Amino acid sequence: DVKVTQSSRYLVKRTGEKVFLECVQDMDHENMFWYRQDPGLGLRLIYFSYDVKMKEKGDIPEGYSVSREKKERFSLILESASTNQTSMYLCASSFFPPGTRTYEQYFGPGTRLTVT
Amino acid sequence: GQSLEQPSEVTAVEGAIVQINCTYQTSGFYGLSWYQQHDGGAPTFLSYNALDGLEETGRFSSFLSRSDSYGYLLLQELQMKDSASYFCAVRDRAAGNKLTFGGGTRVLVKP
Repeated sequence: DVKVTQSSRYLVKRTGEKVFLECVQDMDHENMFWYRQDPGLGLRLIYFSYDVKMKEKGDIPEGYSVSREKKERFSLILESASTNQTSMYLCASSFFPPGTRTYEQYFGPGTRLTVT
Repeated sequence: GQSLEQPSEVTAVEGAIVQINCTYQTSGFYGLSWYQQHDGGAPTFLSYNALDGLEETGRFSSFLSRSDSYGYLLLQELQMKDSASYFCAVRDRAAGNKLTFGGGTRVLVKP
């Protein structure tokens, strides 16, 4: 089974702190994603990466950065945490199964971040 | 950009059938996905439709009409464990591997 793990389930940080959220997948997937989830807004894409050291901005990248030094690991960085970044953060990975028409993203359990 | 519309909440009784509609606007369409998320859990993949028509997987079916920019998820023989949020998501050509998600439909199944 594909496994996507995230470093923490719950995290409490203070305003202005630098925050690192780590995500690791064990299936050699090329693509990795970071989303934030807020009630009524669904999942919104922050950044994604389609290869090591490659990154693309998603829909809401402001206030965030990412790092992908190894294929299995994708880190989300909050350079200076603010209260409006209090949210659930979800990491996902994906690949294209050869010879199929399907496309699936596999999600980690999420990190609930509270910034006070 | 892309946008998706789906109802915010649906309530039904055990054994009933629920249809969750999703309309989308996108510049270049690849496919429509559905994900299920229980409270406190991670989203899990249900289906992906790239072509028009109905795809059935057990009690759940997903339908797509590309000409109408419309799809739906059909939940049959509802069970209590189906109480969850359901998200539609569009993958489009301009966005490559990205998915854009709708706001989610909360399904509450009552005994």
